[in-house]
Amino acid sequence: GAVVSQHPSWVICKSGTSVKIECRSLDFQATTMFWYRQFPKQSLMLMATSNEGSKATYEQGVEKDKFLINHASLTLSTLTVTSAHPEDSSFYICSARGQGPSQEGQPQHFGDGTRLSIL
Amino acid sequence: GQNIDQPTEMTATEGAIVQINCTYQTSGFNGLFWYQQHAGEAPTFLSYNVLDGLEEKGRFSSFLSRSKGYSYLLLKELQMKDSASYLCAVLDSNYQLIWGAGTKLIIKP
Repeated sequence: GAVVSQHPSWVICKSGTSVKIECRSLDFQATTMFWYRQFPKQSLMLMATSNEGSKATYEQGVEKDKFLINHASLTLSTLTVTSAHPEDSSFYICSARGQGPSQEGQPQHFGDGTRLSIL
Repeated sequence: GQNIDQPTEMTATEGAIVQINCTYQTSGFNGLFWYQQHAGEAPTFLSYNVLDGLEEKGRFSSFLSRSKGYSYLLLKELQMKDSASYLCAVLDSNYQLIWGAGTKLIIKP
């Protein structure tokens, strides 16, 4: 089945550091990738949607200059949290969608998530 | 606006049956999905319904009524490992997933 690889799985760093998270589709071409954030005991919140080769579309309230998204190829998207602060500590999850409305009955395939802790 | 409603939390006993309901109002409909999410992990796919009726997959079943904008996830023979959040999501006319807030299911021995 479709697999999405997300790295790193865990990051702990100092305040002010920039952190890059990678999301790769391993066996399909991801025309669209989604980035979610989830705070403890809360639901998934969509941050942005990116289509290969074009600028990401950010949800209301998400700072595009702070959360830089690059989707340069059909198999790779990156999220960079610039100058991270403790309030950015969260669980970040990417998902990818391939060609067509759905694959194998699933609209999106999720990475395993990245737990970001800013000290 | 688009809206998906599901209970915030439910409690059930090991070995029992529990039904988690989901109602939706979306711009268009291209299917309804249920995901399971354990704490600290990414969601995992459980089921997909696009036509009315019941889809059974082992201990889990999912039902859909498009005319009522309603679905439920039925979990039988509950096990402690079923303690998780269950997310209802609808694929709208633009093939975007609209997510419910999730139902936290607590299983007691």
